[in-house]
Amino acid sequence: DAKTTQPNSMESNEEEPVHLPCNHSTISGTDYIHWYRQLPSQGPEYVIHGLTSNVNNRMASLAIAEDRKSSTLILHRATLRDAAVYYCILISGANSKLTFGKGITLSVRP
Amino acid sequence: GAVVSQHPSWVICKSGTSVKIECRSLDFQATTMFWYRQFPKQSLMLMATSNEGSKATYEQGVEKDKFLINHASLTLSTLTVTSAHPEDSSFYICSATRSRGGSPLHFGNGTRLTVT
Repeated sequence: DAKTTQPNSMESNEEEPVHLPCNHSTISGTDYIHWYRQLPSQGPEYVIHGLTSNVNNRMASLAIAEDRKSSTLILHRATLRDAAVYYCILISGANSKLTFGKGITLSVRP
Repeated sequence: GAVVSQHPSWVICKSGTSVKIECRSLDFQATTMFWYRQFPKQSLMLMATSNEGSKATYEQGVEKDKFLINHASLTLSTLTVTSAHPEDSSFYICSATRSRGGSPLHFGNGTRLTVT
């Protein structure tokens, strides 16, 4: 079964940039690339999404590889509140099918 | 921003009983809703995808007769755990989206189910 793959965990220092990678080599042309983050005992929260071009919003930036087989979520200045599990999720624009894996746990050191 | 309300936030039930969890999109019409299960310290697992007015599509390994999903309107989906057993104790989460792919998923805050 196709999934997105992410490292299990990553550590960063507060106020430094963080780059969270995701591989999605089986992505199809209609799949959007989404990122969400989840704190313990809460539902996930939307971070950003894109299709082909890089995207910026107030929370983060999304860099999408030219062949779309990988993407990177960029947090420009990590804060302690950014510590969470981050999920990279593909959502089909054709039939809403979701593809995702186990997520990456980000720890932020003060 | 868009809000998805999930109710109840926690429930304790006895083994053999059924439990219904509601997921409502409060300020938008959800073409598709999703249900997930999450065991402690594990990742999200998709259970089923539900489009309004049609039967839900269940993921492999999820028993459709045990986890009944109803998506009767564009703002409400329900998950009923039938004949619950202790192994069904988990964190159940829903999400909803306006359109396919190009709109964000809006997640509920989850329901903690404990079966005694």
